Amino acid sequence: EPEVTQTPSHQVTQMGQEVILRCVPISNHLYFYWYRQILGQKVEFLVSFYNNEISEKSEIFDDQFSVERPDGSNFTLKIRSTKLEDSAMYFCASSKLGGGASDTQYFGPGTRLTVL
Amino acid sequence: AQSVTQPDIHITVSEGASLELRCNYSYGATPYLFWYVQSPGQGLQLLLKYFSGDTLVQGIKGFEAEFKRSQSSFNLRKPSVHWSDAAEYFCAVGGYNNNDMRFGAGTRLTVKP
Repeated sequence: EPEVTQTPSHQVTQMGQEVILRCVPISNHLYFYWYRQILGQKVEFLVSFYNNEISEKSEIFDDQFSVERPDGSNFTLKIRSTKLEDSAMYFCASSKLGGGASDTQYFGPGTRLTVL
Repeated sequence: AQSVTQPDIHITVSEGASLELRCNYSYGATPYLFWYVQSPGQGLQLLLKYFSGDTLVQGIKGFEAEFKRSQSSFNLRKPSVHWSDAAEYFCAVGGYNNNDMRFGAGTRLTVKP
């Protein structure tokens, strides 16, 4: 069964450094998402992406964050200057169709980001 | 704005016992409701979802959930829990455009032998 993959599984970085989290969505999916889960807290929506542009973003997704689909398979989340509070598990998800809640989002295993 | 409340942070049940995990939602229109499970170190796996139709929804691993509009609830049930069901369970709500799906805080399930 096809699945969403994410690399790396764990990323450790120094405060102020840039990080790029990578995701490979399911190949025939059209919508892509990033969520984060701070340790012990709920999963929070960050951003959705369709047709090479952001379709929706939350208040968490400020100017420090950006997303990109650099080629036909990868979907990346960049944090320009990491802060301690960016430490979290970051989940990528993808869905086949666009704009309809009848479509299921499939989640990757996550990347644990630790900012020191 | 939509939101989800999972009143129970942690539940412990004995293996073989029945299980019910509570979920209450707030949404201004017809909600689309989901239950996900997260095993330690793993991503989120969809257990089941409700969009319309029959209010009792069957999912994977023997789970089911019932949508009750009058109570704004979507509780997850399983008649007989297995040790492998120990995990974190998340309820989520979305709308027609589910780009902004909202998750509950999760319920951690411990299964006693």
